[in-house]
Amino acid sequence: GDSVTQMEGPVTLSEEAFLTINCTYTATGYPSLFWYVQYPGEGLQLLLKATKADDKGSNKGFEATYRKETTSFHLEKGSVQVSDSAVYFCALQYTGTASKLTFGTGTRLQVTL
Amino acid sequence: ETGVTQSPTHLIKTRGQQVTLRCSSQSGHNTVSWYQQALGQGPQFIFQYYREEENGRGNFPPRFSGLQFPNYSSELNVNALELDDSALYLCASSFWDRVSYEQYFGPGTRLTVT
Repeated sequence: GDSVTQMEGPVTLSEEAFLTINCTYTATGYPSLFWYVQYPGEGLQLLLKATKADDKGSNKGFEATYRKETTSFHLEKGSVQVSDSAVYFCALQYTGTASKLTFGTGTRLQVTL
Repeated sequence: ETGVTQSPTHLIKTRGQQVTLRCSSQSGHNTVSWYQQALGQGPQFIFQYYREEENGRGNFPPRFSGLQFPNYSSELNVNALELDDSALYLCASSFWDRVSYEQYFGPGTRLTVT
């Protein structure tokens, strides 16, 4: 079945460091790919998405490129801030009946001063 | 514009009891999905409702059931609660943007079963 694999956390970085969180997926078709962020005690917020191969999603300095050849959708940010500390979830979705999201297990990011 | 809201925020129930969780979808969204998020895990899809009909279901037993109302708000009902049902329950409303269904999540209901 379809699945999403994320790098295990926690990832601990100093402020202004470069961030990469790896995400790979297994899918039989051509899903849309998403990154969601969850701050402590809150629900999930959509961070960015890409709906077809080679699309780049970007938001708030975060970027991810849909790589069909490597089945990957790695999240990157050039300079992290303490306020970016959260759990990040990679997810895939097929469009159609019950367009459910299939999530990875999440990667906790902790940014220190 | 009001986002997705859920009630209650927290709930403690005893094994064997029944619980109802509520969700109000974002304005203009006619599809509601429910997810279960166990501690330290990613959310797992329970089911989805579209125009008051169940539109798909994940790998959850029948004691998990739901409803969607004409105003697109929704309920999740869980009967015969088990300890493993302790989790954060997330509701997400969505719309079709011609390319994908962007799902907008509420803050969740934290259910503890003792």
